[in-house]
Amino acid sequence: EDQVTQSPEALRLQEGESSSLNCSYTVSGLRGLFWYRQDPGKGPEFLFTLYSAGEEKEKERLKATLTKKESFLHITAPKPEDSATYLCAVQAHNFNKFYFGSGTKLNVKP
Amino acid sequence: NAGVTQTPKFQVLKTGQSMTLQCAQDMNHNSMYWYRQDPGMGLRLIYYSASEGTTDKGEVPNGYNVSRLNKREFSLRLESAAPSQTSVYFCASTGTSSYNEQFFGPGTRLTVL
Repeated sequence: EDQVTQSPEALRLQEGESSSLNCSYTVSGLRGLFWYRQDPGKGPEFLFTLYSAGEEKEKERLKATLTKKESFLHITAPKPEDSATYLCAVQAHNFNKFYFGSGTKLNVKP
Repeated sequence: NAGVTQTPKFQVLKTGQSMTLQCAQDMNHNSMYWYRQDPGMGLRLIYYSASEGTTDKGEVPNGYNVSRLNKREFSLRLESAAPSQTSVYFCASTGTSSYNEQFFGPGTRLTVL
């Protein structure tokens, strides 16, 4: 069964304290892994797509990496404006289906 | 470009009432999706439409129907609302490439009393 698990459920960091969020997945035929940011009361906003093990992508303080079984979202020197829920999703062999994890709620305190 | 738009933003229904959630995208995308988001459960796919004229069931289709009216619009209908359908509903679309990311609307917060 295709499944996506994110950990931790919630993470509290001090401003400048780097950390990583985890997304582990089991899917038959991974086509792509996606990271989204979701602010309260809004729809998810796309951050990254990763397609193959070993791939890395960066955007400002965020860096996403992918292995055969999991992906990490590394946050370097976070700021309060990075506070949000981060969602991971995988696209399976059926191109039209995406499976989402339940998210990690990040709170960065000044 | 407005991206993906959804109406209404908020709705309160009584058990047994019906309603239609509207979604439109102006990005010329082929595929469109309806999700529900509940606390602790992430986004779950209700229905999707790979192209105009086609629709398929997702993970949680019971109690819902959809219509792909044209390439731009994809509506979700609740024929007889139940309290278990209280949720936040998101519409999304993907571009012409099968590997494209999804673009989401702002959501509809539905409460069924």
